[in-house]
Amino acid sequence: QKEVEQNSGPLSVPEGAIASLNCTYSDRGSQSFFWYRQYSGKSPELIMSIYSNGDKEDGRFTAQLNKASQYVSLLIRDSQPSDSATYLCAFRNSGNTPLVFGKGTRLSVIA
Amino acid sequence: GAGVSQSPSNKVTEKGKDVELRCDPISGHTALYWYRQSLGQGLEFLIYFQGNSAPDKSGLPSDRFSAERTGGSVSTLTIQRTQQEDSAVYLCASSLELTSGRASYNEQFFGPGTRLTVL
Repeated sequence: QKEVEQNSGPLSVPEGAIASLNCTYSDRGSQSFFWYRQYSGKSPELIMSIYSNGDKEDGRFTAQLNKASQYVSLLIRDSQPSDSATYLCAFRNSGNTPLVFGKGTRLSVIA
Repeated sequence: GAGVSQSPSNKVTEKGKDVELRCDPISGHTALYWYRQSLGQGLEFLIYFQGNSAPDKSGLPSDRFSAERTGGSVSTLTIQRTQQEDSAVYLCASSLELTSGRASYNEQFFGPGTRLTVL
């Protein structure tokens, strides 16, 4: 059974702080990892993909992948109230397989 | 460019009726996925298409659920004899499957979803 574990939260951070979201996955064969943001009542929006060990930065977002530890994280620098949403972690194996999603971490950025 | 579109955005039906949900993927995307999300729950995979064929139907919850894709583009998800437990948001996603060596690059982009309510 392929699984993704995320802390459901809510994770509350003050505006301007760094928000750290974490995710562990069970399938060692996983090769592709994704972070989606989902606002209440909306569909998931892709914000980061990462395929190799290490860090990948895009604006205020940094994804970190450690395949040996089966761990992926998302850092949001200079958090804004508009970042308040549920963040979904997902992975898939190589080849044509669907994404396996975690249940998401709810982030609340307090002004 | 246009993103993934889904219709209808909302559907209210009576228990026992059949419903059809439509997904129009991003132009050129070869892979199409259906998921559903119940209130407060994570995303549940239903079925996946590569072109017009469905290599993975493992997530369909019962034989009341079926899906097809024609012309490698539009897909319809049909739920027969709907039950109250079918109430959820049905999400469609598409991706351009790119493979380089052993790696697959396959970012999935979601449509806005169809909110189905079975009374």
